[in-house]
Amino acid sequence: GAVVSQHPSRVICKSGTSVKIECRSLDFQATTMFWYRQFPKQSLMLMATSNEGSKATYEQGVEKDKFLINHASLTLSTLTVTSAHPEDSSFYICSASVRGGESGNTIYFGEGSWLTVV
Amino acid sequence: GEDVEQSLFLSVREGDSSVINCTYTDSSSTYLYWYKQEPGAGLQLLTYIFSNMDMKQDQRLTVLLNKKDKHLSLRIADTQTGDSAIYFCAERRYSSASKIIFGSGTRLSIRP
Repeated sequence: GAVVSQHPSRVICKSGTSVKIECRSLDFQATTMFWYRQFPKQSLMLMATSNEGSKATYEQGVEKDKFLINHASLTLSTLTVTSAHPEDSSFYICSASVRGGESGNTIYFGEGSWLTVV
Repeated sequence: GEDVEQSLFLSVREGDSSVINCTYTDSSSTYLYWYKQEPGAGLQLLTYIFSNMDMKQDQRLTVLLNKKDKHLSLRIADTQTGDSAIYFCAERRYSSASKIIFGSGTRLSIRP
């Protein structure tokens, strides 16, 4: 079946540096990708929606200059956390949407990426 | 605040049925989902239901939807220790680029 892969699954970075997380759809072309953030023991909060070749749409309260999203192709979206701080430490999950399937528009989730900023 | 609400905790005895409840607010939601998340892991889609359905059954899982009250429930029959996890209810809003909005999650614990 379709798979969405995230890389890296775990990353530790120093405060003030930037870190990039990749989200790839392995055997399908994703028309839309979504980025979520999950704090420990909390729910997933949608950060932004990205469509291939256009600018991402950010949810209210999400800093677009801090969380850079690039959807360069139909199989790859990247999230870059710039000038990371310890409070950015979180679990980041992407999902990819593709037309078709029983529900008309199927969404697949990646395994998530743990970011720890020290 | 969240538009999808769930109780935070549920404890059931092994072998009993678990019922996890969820309320949502967006009447334009066409699909409603239940996801399972084990500690340190990603999301696993358990089941989903289309908004024109009242019930969907899949092996030990039964989903009930009351669209009038915007209430969704997940029943797990014969609950096992492997069912311990956090269960997220989620709604898909076609009015908003098909994005999925999650509830707060219900932590299900199983006691012997």
